[in-house]
Amino acid sequence: GAVVSQHPSWVICKSGTSVKIECRSLDFQATTMFWYRQFPKQSLMLMATSNEGSKATYEQGVEKDKFLINHASLTLSTLTVTSAHPEDSSFYICSARPPGASYNSPLHFGNGTRLTVT
Amino acid sequence: AQSVAQPEDQVNVAEGNPLTVKCTYSVSGNPYLFWYVQYPNRGLQFLLKYITGDNLVKGSYGFEAEFNKSQTSFHLKKPSALVSDSALYFCAVRDRASGTYKYIFGTGTRLKVLA
Repeated sequence: GAVVSQHPSWVICKSGTSVKIECRSLDFQATTMFWYRQFPKQSLMLMATSNEGSKATYEQGVEKDKFLINHASLTLSTLTVTSAHPEDSSFYICSARPPGASYNSPLHFGNGTRLTVT
Repeated sequence: AQSVAQPEDQVNVAEGNPLTVKCTYSVSGNPYLFWYVQYPNRGLQFLLKYITGDNLVKGSYGFEAEFNKSQTSFHLKKPSALVSDSALYFCAVRDRASGTYKYIFGTGTRLKVLA
């Protein structure tokens, strides 16, 4: 149980275009989803927290107009990278929290999306 | 500032030997502590966590971790490494007092188990 599916697994897009990444909780309803960006030197950076039906909360330094997050349902959150540039190339990972999960519960992670902007 | 340190970028160990992946943290209060593993081009998989109680926590795939409050450490261990354990390992903490589900991640340690 507690499967998080992320799509696509990898995507290549041209500079200036937008790309959407989907994060779905397949067998549970995710009250909260988190979007991370993983840099080449391995660290994970939390980009934003999205709660179903409300605006995402972005971390300091993350451009909300650049990285649009929508959490329209309890099973789907999307991250849209708008007007992508080569420096946006990265590995993006989502994670989800089931409703009722306590603070000591682990999160469930998707398999990530490798974005390459040419 | 709250932080998590994984001092080794890479750890090499021979198959069958014990392994240790180090993690120290600087978080106020008593944090929740987690270890995750990441295989290439995949998301993170939960290995184990420390909440309270026994300082030695056992998790998935034969891994365990030892919580040391005085040293603010939570090192990951396994008595006998397998080649299939080769992956990227992340230590993460969550501040109990923060009232959030946010993690503070370490920078990750790449474990390479040599046959």
